[in-house]
Amino acid sequence: SAVISQKPSRDICQRGTSLTIQCQVDSQVTMMFWYRQQPGQSLTLIATANQGSEATYESGFVIDKFPISRPNLTFSTLTVSNMSPEDSSIYLCSVGLSATEAFFGQGTRLTVV
Amino acid sequence: AQTVTQSQPEMSVQEAETVTLSCTYDTSESDYYLFWYKQPPSRQMILVIRQEAYKQQNATENRFSVNFQKAAKSFSLKISDSQLGDAAMYFCAYRSFYGGATNKLIFGTGTLLAVQP
Repeated sequence: SAVISQKPSRDICQRGTSLTIQCQVDSQVTMMFWYRQQPGQSLTLIATANQGSEATYESGFVIDKFPISRPNLTFSTLTVSNMSPEDSSIYLCSVGLSATEAFFGQGTRLTVV
Repeated sequence: AQTVTQSQPEMSVQEAETVTLSCTYDTSESDYYLFWYKQPPSRQMILVIRQEAYKQQNATENRFSVNFQKAAKSFSLKISDSQLGDAAMYFCAYRSFYGGATNKLIFGTGTLLAVQP
């Protein structure tokens, strides 16, 4: 299994500011995934982060708004830039050690006021 | 593109009773993985059960079992002897076979399960 530490667990931010979310894994993993879960909704993939290369973004998400870093095989950050109230969501990082397993961080609850 | 549909936004079950949550999916792939995840109010996503599409036998994990109907593209979750701690949001998810762990999960919209004492 994998233990994922995600920080912060929650934050309240002013519109127009940026927040960086950290995800630390206790083992080396190839891919890390960042999901967004808007209030009362399902999880939607923002991007896939591979160490040593640029993240791959899903349709509707752009690097300028959600820059991602992946400096090594155990760590990644997601930044939510120039925030607006519509960015209020839970953000989760995830890793998969095998095809049949995916582990998640405890999520970051972001409220933009 | 693959899609996952959960047609029951909310379900309720009496403690100790059995409940079934529905999930259908659409894919043109023949090999894939299916999952049920539980998300309690703590937000932590917890894997409940998984099924490999190439396995005909339905997966079982203690009180949790699935009814996997590949031809019908259906993957329902049965919770037996429901407990108060089972109350949570349940998500059905799909992952493509090729690429394995490097593939994303595609989630359904979720079913909120309430357990009545």
